[in-house]
Amino acid sequence: DAGVTQSPTHLIKTRGQHVTLRCSPISGHKSVSWYQQVLGQGPQFIFQYYEKEERGRGNFPDRFSARQFPNYSSELNVNALLLGDSALYLCASSSGTAYTGELFFGEGSRLTVL
Amino acid sequence: AQKVTQAQTEISVVEKEDVTLDCVYETRDTTYYLFWYKQPPSGELVFLIRRNSFDEQNEISGRYSWNFQKSTSSFNFTITASQVVDSAVYFCALNPGPGNQFYFGTGTSLTVIP
Repeated sequence: DAGVTQSPTHLIKTRGQHVTLRCSPISGHKSVSWYQQVLGQGPQFIFQYYEKEERGRGNFPDRFSARQFPNYSSELNVNALLLGDSALYLCASSSGTAYTGELFFGEGSRLTVL
Repeated sequence: AQKVTQAQTEISVVEKEDVTLDCVYETRDTTYYLFWYKQPPSGELVFLIRRNSFDEQNEISGRYSWNFQKSTSSFNFTITASQVVDSAVYFCALNPGPGNQFYFGTGTSLTVIP
């Protein structure tokens, strides 16, 4: 079975541009979460979506937005990119919203903002 | 406030040595989950263990063992007879629930020298 898949794996943008990152969860998983991992740091929670509804949001500016589609895949959008947005963006899926389960992570999308 | 501290930034050991990775957490919640994840160079976070706040039993899985002590708010991870394949960054994480907002430590980079 396929794990969590993310695309693109690497991308380079310039300041002020917009980026869209995509995530497909494990088959049967209805919850998708997004995390930002700056080099040398642990992942920071951005969003959680379940059944197409936002269920949690971390301390990120409104430039960050996301959505979940009927097939449970998800997009993370970042507008007006800043140099500080350079990071590895990780998507994770789980079977539900409850925290009793583990998160299954993809390999991430590495964003570089120049 | 929720916080996870991994004071050891980098550790190097010679193959077959034992190594312990420290994790200290802060939370006011009485119900929570603690996790350890491994992050190889590929970037994907690999789940190692989950422990809930009501279960203080230590756990052993092959060469891996975990020591959970609520009295000291610690959840330490020991690798016995380390191998080169254990080289990775290890993250401790806290989930106070509900939802999938995990709080990660800054990680410990483990290098096992052959």
